[in-house]
Amino acid sequence: AQSVTQLDSQVPVFEEAPVELRCNYSSSVSVYLFWYVQYPNQGLQLLLKYLSGSTLVKGINGFEAEFNKSQTSFHLRKPSVHISDTAEYFCAVTGRGGSYIPTFGRGTSLIVHP
Amino acid sequence: DGGITQSPKYLFRKEGQNVTLSCEQNLNHDAMYWYRQDPGQGLRLIYYSQIVNDFQKGDIAEGYSVSREKKESFPLTVTSAQKNPTAFYLCASSRAGEQFFGPGTRLTVL
Repeated sequence: AQSVTQLDSQVPVFEEAPVELRCNYSSSVSVYLFWYVQYPNQGLQLLLKYLSGSTLVKGINGFEAEFNKSQTSFHLRKPSVHISDTAEYFCAVTGRGGSYIPTFGRGTSLIVHP
Repeated sequence: DGGITQSPKYLFRKEGQNVTLSCEQNLNHDAMYWYRQDPGQGLRLIYYSQIVNDFQKGDIAEGYSVSREKKESFPLTVTSAQKNPTAFYLCASSRAGEQFFGPGTRLTVL
């Protein structure tokens, strides 16, 4: 069994400020980790993923995330946000191998103010 | 371009009617999924299929049905047994754990 907790349902931030969206997971097996972004009335698109190797993962639009196995976390960061980053962000986990059925967090709404 | 298509984008139905949502992919992925999204509840898995002619119930399958007769297609039927069908529905395919999503269908039952 696996679960994902996104600790903040909403994160307001001013433009050009740094931001961190938090994600913790639990799983009885080794995992792959993902962050997806959803703009209003659209599907989700992949921001970045951790499969193996370096624990610091870089994605699109200047986002990065760090896999911390001991803390079972995969927090998403951006050093300077833009108005266009306003969206819903979802953290997801799948077990390695097997059926790859994903578990999603409930999402964090990032609201960037001018 | 490869991807997932869902149609229609907006759908309105009267209460008591069945409705079928279309999902097609040209990514040659074996696995396909249907999710329901409600405000503040994230994505909830309705059904998934890992191979043609086989599918499994997800967490909230009651009131829904699917078929998988072709690798490219995974239609979802919302039946009259679904008590609260108004929602945003997302179809996805996957490869090695990564999900590829369609643009979604917003269903409103009047």
